[in-house]
Amino acid sequence: DSGVTQTPKHLITATGQRVTLRCSPRSGDLSVYWYQQSLDQGLQFLIQYYNGEERAKGNILERFSAQQFPDLHSELNLSSLELGDSALYFCASSVGASGTNEQYFGPGTRLTVT
Amino acid sequence: AQTVTQSQPEMSVQEAETVTLSCTYDTSESDYYLFWYKQPPSRQMILVIRQEAYKQQNATENRFSVNFQKAAKSFSLKISDSQLGDAAMYFCAYRSANFGNEKLTFGTGTRLTIIP
Repeated sequence: DSGVTQTPKHLITATGQRVTLRCSPRSGDLSVYWYQQSLDQGLQFLIQYYNGEERAKGNILERFSAQQFPDLHSELNLSSLELGDSALYFCASSVGASGTNEQYFGPGTRLTVT
Repeated sequence: AQTVTQSQPEMSVQEAETVTLSCTYDTSESDYYLFWYKQPPSRQMILVIRQEAYKQQNATENRFSVNFQKAAKSFSLKISDSQLGDAAMYFCAYRSANFGNEKLTFGTGTRLTIIP
């Protein structure tokens, strides 16, 4: 158990809908990262937050947004869902945002868009 | 931009034997970190081992060790005394040491099968 929690574990929804994925980092970790794992794109970095502020953006679609709250949990919002958004979404956390701080991954949320 | 290449989509090894998984990367940076992550059927991403580019000594964690060749931009993972629980997808990952660029860049993975 990495100490990073993600809810829900599974999510099935229809095209055009909107969903919210939630992540709670390990106790004491200030940085949260979101990654998407799909069959065609592999593991891709989406976005990073550090202590409530957006720090880096990767290949995140405009339909997707995220935030980190004062208690450091983070949410990833996916809207106008398409079939191609079906994937495993991981949250990871690290103590800081530099140095040798390793990223510890949550169990992921499997999103299926039908 | 950095890229990570894993040229072996699948590998297999007899239980108790040794196997080496290959990884190459491309970067213009001099300071960075390299990682191997394991993803078993449960889909959990588990950190196996890490290497700091400024360290010449290869990292070792129990039965797992790496062969880091900085000039060749190569970072292979050796698993000794393979066990059934080692069966998983293994991902090589790169992380810059630059401030504000802490994302992980992953390779496409190598599926490791352990033959009893």
